[in-house]
Amino acid sequence: QVQLVQSGSELKKPGASVKVSCKASGYTLTDYAMNWVRQVPGQGLEWMGWINTKSGNPTYAQGFTGRFVFSSDSVNTTYLQITSLKAEDTAVYYCARDRGYFDPWGQGTLVIVSS
Amino acid sequence: DIVMTQSPDSLAVSLGERATINCKSSQNILYSSNNKNYLAWYQQKPGQPPKLLTYWSSTRESGVPDRFSGSGSGTDFTLTISSLQTEDVAVYYCQQYYTSPHTFGQGTKLEVK
Repeated sequence: QVQLVQSGSELKKPGASVKVSCKASGYTLTDYAMNWVRQVPGQGLEWMGWINTKSGNPTYAQGFTGRFVFSSDSVNTTYLQITSLKAEDTAVYYCARDRGYFDPWGQGTLVIVSS
Repeated sequence: DIVMTQSPDSLAVSLGERATINCKSSQNILYSSNNKNYLAWYQQKPGQPPKLLTYWSSTRESGVPDRFSGSGSGTDFTLTISSLQTEDVAVYYCQQYYTSPHTFGQGTKLEVK
């Protein structure tokens, strides 16, 4: 079945970087774009942007430019890298396949930024 | 950006009763060339990722119980649960995918009364 499996939780210090992976199975990665969504604990869903998995071209939502990088290996995995981490980056990050609407979603990766 | 506003923010309904959640978009999200509303509903249970319930406003995703139904067009949309079950306790989000950024509503928390 179609499935997205994300890498495990991360605990990072301010200023460090983190790279979250999202491995797709059950379909051809390059047939669909991939979205990234942030959810701060206890809050709602915020669309971060998407990556064209065929060309590797990313598009970032406002507020997610500069320190956020989407990439893809064009085989079965997409990545979200966040640099110069801040406490306010503490959140669960989800990947979600683009069908226009989002389906399926990865299980989420909790990134905690704390000194 | 299109702003999605859900009402109410929280809702308590008795088991077996109807639950209704509303979603209003700040702009029309009906694409005239294909007559489709670019509106999806998701269910999120604690500790889980969101799950797609309906898309194109009213198309139920495969495997979703038929007590869930979506309706509406243009700027006003509704998710209805016809007979609330305990497993329906969750936060529900609407989302427009008409244009970028693909914005979500703020969520509606549904509980059992």
